[in-house]
Amino acid sequence: EAGVTQFPSHSVIEKGQTVTLRCDPISGHDNLYWYRRVMGKEIKFLLHFVKESKQDESGMPNNRFLAERTGGTYSTLKVQPAELEDSGVYFCASSQVYRGRGTEAFFGQGTRLTVV
Amino acid sequence: AQSVTQLDSQVPVFEEAPVELRCNYSSSVSVYLFWYVQYPNQGLQLLLKYLSGSTLVKGINGFEAEFNKSQTSFHLRKPSVHISDTAEYFCAGRSYNTDKLIFGTGTRLQVFP
Repeated sequence: EAGVTQFPSHSVIEKGQTVTLRCDPISGHDNLYWYRRVMGKEIKFLLHFVKESKQDESGMPNNRFLAERTGGTYSTLKVQPAELEDSGVYFCASSQVYRGRGTEAFFGQGTRLTVV
Repeated sequence: AQSVTQLDSQVPVFEEAPVELRCNYSSSVSVYLFWYVQYPNQGLQLLLKYLSGSTLVKGINGFEAEFNKSQTSFHLRKPSVHISDTAEYFCAGRSYNTDKLIFGTGTRLQVFP
């Protein structure tokens, strides 16, 4: 079974440009999460989809970030326009909807974004 | 406030020595606790999790962790490390009413021959 897949693995863009990150969750996983790690700091939650609906977007830093999950399958995270402070590693994770709350989140390899 | 603290940013250790990676949490994220590992050029992989029950949790690759409510700690241990354990380790917590994980800043374990 394929794991969580993220594209691209690396991206280097200039300040002011637009970048779109993609995440393909594990098939059948309704929950999809985006996290970000700025260099040297903790991994921080950005938002959570349940199927195609945004369940929690409290971690989105500002309106330059737009996340979508059309059809409840893959998700994209667009940064427009990118700023220097957006540099970091963006992780995607997915999990099954589960009656208990201890369900494991499976993470992708991350996309390393560098804004210059 | 919800927080997870990893007290050591780097831990150097010789092969076959024991290791302990420290993690403390705030009470608001104490319901579920996790340790993840990130090997070079790979994603985050779950090592172990504490949901309820026995406070000593065993995970993959010989790691274990102990949930200590009175000390609000969830330290990760391994009695004898290998070179292949070189990686970054993240402690994370989650509360009842949310699905999001609160992570610590990570501990980089470097195992030397």
